[in-house]
Amino acid sequence: EVQLVQSGAEVKKPGESLNISCKVSGYYFNYYWIAWVRQMPGKGLEWMGIVFPDDSETRYNPSFQGQVTISADKSISTAYLQWNSLKTSDSGIYYCARPTQWNQPYFDYWGQGSLVTVSS
Amino acid sequence: QPALIQPPSASGAPGQMVTISCSGSSSNVGKNFVYWYQQLPGAAPKLLIYRNDQRPSGVPDRFSGSKSGASASLVISGLRSEDEADYFCAAWHDSLSVLFGGGTKLTVL
Repeated sequence: EVQLVQSGAEVKKPGESLNISCKVSGYYFNYYWIAWVRQMPGKGLEWMGIVFPDDSETRYNPSFQGQVTISADKSISTAYLQWNSLKTSDSGIYYCARPTQWNQPYFDYWGQGSLVTVSS
Repeated sequence: QPALIQPPSASGAPGQMVTISCSGSSSNVGKNFVYWYQQLPGAAPKLLIYRNDQRPSGVPDRFSGSKSGASASLVISGLRSEDEADYFCAAWHDSLSVLFGGGTKLTVL
C-alpha cells in the first residue's frame, strides 16, 4: 500500500527556521517525483515545486523560488520542505503528493498534510 | 501566475446535476490536460478526473470531465450528500509550473 506520511503540526515565530517531512512507503521512492502543495487558510491550492529523489533534481514554481528549499533523502525515503526564515504569510497546510510525471498535475497519492502556524 | 478561474460556489439538490467550470488560457488549459480534485472537509485532495475526461478506478461514473479550448468542466450527476466538498481543477502552465483553480465549494441542498 502506498503511503505518504507527513510530520506533525508546527507552531513557529517569524524568522525561525523549519523543516517538514514526507515519509514514503509502498513504492520505490527513488524513481518518482514528489511535489509540495500549499493551501493557505480557507484558500485554494498552490504548487510549490518538485524533487526527483534519485538525483535530487528540483524544479520550483517561480513564486516560491528562493523562499523554500525542497530536498529528498533516498536512504530513508523521505522528502523535505525547508524554510530558513519563516514569515506569518507562510502559515497554511502543506501537502506532499506524488505526480506521475514532473510536468503534469496528476497526483495519485497525497500525504495527510502538515499544518504550519507562524505567529509572533 | 493567476490561478485558473472557477466559480467560488455551486449547489444542487440530491439527485440533480451540477456543472463546475474551469477557465484558463492558451498557456495552460488550452494546450495541456486538465485534472480535477475533490477535497472533503479536513482531508487531503483526491484525484477525481485525469487527462480531461478519465476517471481513476473507484471514482463513480456520476463524475465526468470535458474540455473545449481553454475551458474545462466537471459534471456531477445524481448529486449525493457525500459530494459536498471543494473541487479544484489543475493544468500545467507554460511558465513551468502547475496551476490550480481557486476552488469551488459545492453545497448539496
